[in-house]
Amino acid sequence: DIVMTQSPDSLAVSLGERATINCKSSQSVLYSSNNKNYLAWYQQKPGQPPKLLIYWASTRESGVPDRFSGSGSGTDFTLTISSLQAEDVAVYYCQQYYSTPLAFGPGTKVDIK
Amino acid sequence: EVQLVESGGGLVQPGGSLKLSCAASGFTFSGSAMHWVRQASGKGLEWVGRIRSKANSYATAYAASVKGRFTISRDDSKNTAYLQMNSLKTEDTAVYYCTRPTQSGWYNYWGQGTLVTVSS
Repeated sequence: DIVMTQSPDSLAVSLGERATINCKSSQSVLYSSNNKNYLAWYQQKPGQPPKLLIYWASTRESGVPDRFSGSGSGTDFTLTISSLQAEDVAVYYCQQYYSTPLAFGPGTKVDIK
Repeated sequence: EVQLVESGGGLVQPGGSLKLSCAASGFTFSGSAMHWVRQASGKGLEWVGRIRSKANSYATAYAASVKGRFTISRDDSKNTAYLQMNSLKTEDTAVYYCTRPTQSGWYNYWGQGTLVTVSS
């Protein structure tokens, strides 16, 4: 089974500053036949279900602001919020959909400093 | 508009059973896999299991933590997926979400969730 880890557990960033969240998978989620990373990022606000931000590790979902970006390949991935806004306060999860059982990272809580 | 509406949550004693439903609309339900994900209060997301479409033989898969106790099924005529939970434990207490994955596997639609509380 693939295990997902995230760092840091939480971070506080000033408004307008950059936030960076790291995600690591215990084995590669890069599928060689199509050269795609089976990695997604979600944002969850209190009392709401998660919202998809990024899939294929770096493809932004329609309607997601371009301050959100994803990068990485293989086992190491990053979600970057280039200029933190107040509405970005949330918990962020990475998820691998490479193989069953699907797995989420433990989450990273982002707050305003 | 895609909608997923879970129901059936509630309070149940340890060792008891509960069946959750997920009513779907706004997409071709019969052609889609359906997954369940849960979240204990203040905790992270945990994949519970999935059922594939008829074209994929309604294949199911489960997390180790629920295998042998939980069963996912579907009724394509009712556009509804189900999660039958037996031998419930206190650690099964969580909000249960149904989700619809894309063909490639990420979740672009989620229900609002239904709360299951296992307590004596």
